[in-house]
Amino acid sequence: EDKVVQSPLSLVVHEGDTVTLNCSYEVTNFRSLLWYKQEKKAPTFLFMLTSSGIEKKSGRLSSILDKKELSSILNITATQTGDSAIYLCAVEAGNTDKLIFGTGTRLQVFP
Amino acid sequence: NAGVTQTPKFRILKIGQSMTLQCTQDMNHNYMYWYRQDPGMGLKLIYYSVGAGITDKGEVPNGYNVSRSTTEDFPLRLELAAPSQTSVYFCASRRRVQGTEAFFGQGTRLTVV
Repeated sequence: EDKVVQSPLSLVVHEGDTVTLNCSYEVTNFRSLLWYKQEKKAPTFLFMLTSSGIEKKSGRLSSILDKKELSSILNITATQTGDSAIYLCAVEAGNTDKLIFGTGTRLQVFP
Repeated sequence: NAGVTQTPKFRILKIGQSMTLQCTQDMNHNYMYWYRQDPGMGLKLIYYSVGAGITDKGEVPNGYNVSRSTTEDFPLRLELAAPSQTSVYFCASRRRVQGTEAFFGQGTRLTVV
């Protein structure tokens, strides 16, 4: 059965800290891994990682895909209060066309 | 460009009532998904569709039904609502191309009392 697990479930840090969020997966015929940020409403897209694009960076956020370990990390450097959100990882399973989400990591950044 | 539109935004149902959550997208996306999100949790896949006339079960399909008669619309039907179906429901769509992002509607907050 396809499965996506994120850790930690919750994280509390101070502004300026660096955080690393983890996502591991077990899916049939992996196609891609996506990271989303969710504040009050709908998730908003951050990154997509595939076999041909295993590292992405945008400002203070970066993400790496490790296909051997079946996992990905999302790094946020110099965190700000505006980074407070739930971060969701999703994996596209090729055999079924499903897009499976993990449990999410709730990040709280305090001044 | 409206993207993915969900209606209603909020709804309170009594136990045993039925309702349909509407989802429409104007991006000509083949793939559409329904998720539910319980407080503090991630998204659980209820049903999905890879094109008009084709639907399939996700992780938590019990108590729900879907149909996909057109590319644009993917309604989710709740039959005999139960308190366990109290949740926020999200509809999403994406193109039928490997490795493309999914676009989300703004969600429907449903409370069953």
